[in-house]
Amino acid sequence: QVQLVESGGGVVQPGRSLRLSCAASGFTFSSSGMHWVRQAPGKGLEWMTFIWYDGSHKFYADSVKGRFTISRDNFKNTLSLQMNSLRVEDTAVYYCARERSGSIDYWGQGTLVTVSS
Amino acid sequence: DIQMTQSPSTLSASVGDRVIITCRASQSVGTWLAWYQQKPGKAPKLLLYKASSLESGVPSRFSGSGSGTEFTLTITSLQPDDFATYYCQQYSSYSWTFGQGTKVEIK
Repeated sequence: QVQLVESGGGVVQPGRSLRLSCAASGFTFSSSGMHWVRQAPGKGLEWMTFIWYDGSHKFYADSVKGRFTISRDNFKNTLSLQMNSLRVEDTAVYYCARERSGSIDYWGQGTLVTVSS
Repeated sequence: DIQMTQSPSTLSASVGDRVIITCRASQSVGTWLAWYQQKPGKAPKLLLYKASSLESGVPSRFSGSGSGTEFTLTITSLQPDDFATYYCQQYSSYSWTFGQGTKVEIK
């Protein structure tokens, strides 16, 4: 079965960096586009970034463009999110998710990132 | 960027009710529209994609319709397991946007 398991969340000070990882299994990772979506406490879902199946194209929401970088390792079946210059408003649960036909068909359980001094 | 607006934000309903949630896009998205259900502390679950296609394993009481800028999610005969928050999501030109959510509460 499809599994997406995020890791790397935690508490970080404003302005610092954090790297999230997502371990994928149960499907052909190298054939799937992948997303990161976040949800601030008590708030709605916010799409952040998408990467093509082969890593050749990447797309970002304006809110994270220039600060966050998505990447993937198709040999290790791993998706990553490098988050720099973190702000208090980046506090959220971060979900790794699989793209299908303009929608998102599988989600991880999420990892909580708290940006606080 | 395309903005998605859901209505209502909160909906109170009883078991057995027919529930309709509306989602409007700030510009046409064709039928690139999906609906999700989310329960507290859980990841969202895909219900419908391409506006009206039911995801495998999702009960047939869920249905979607619309195209362009106006979409609806209908739940016929609301069940206890359906009390949750629902989100629409559009896809256009490698940008995805979610609506703000509609919470379906027990009346």
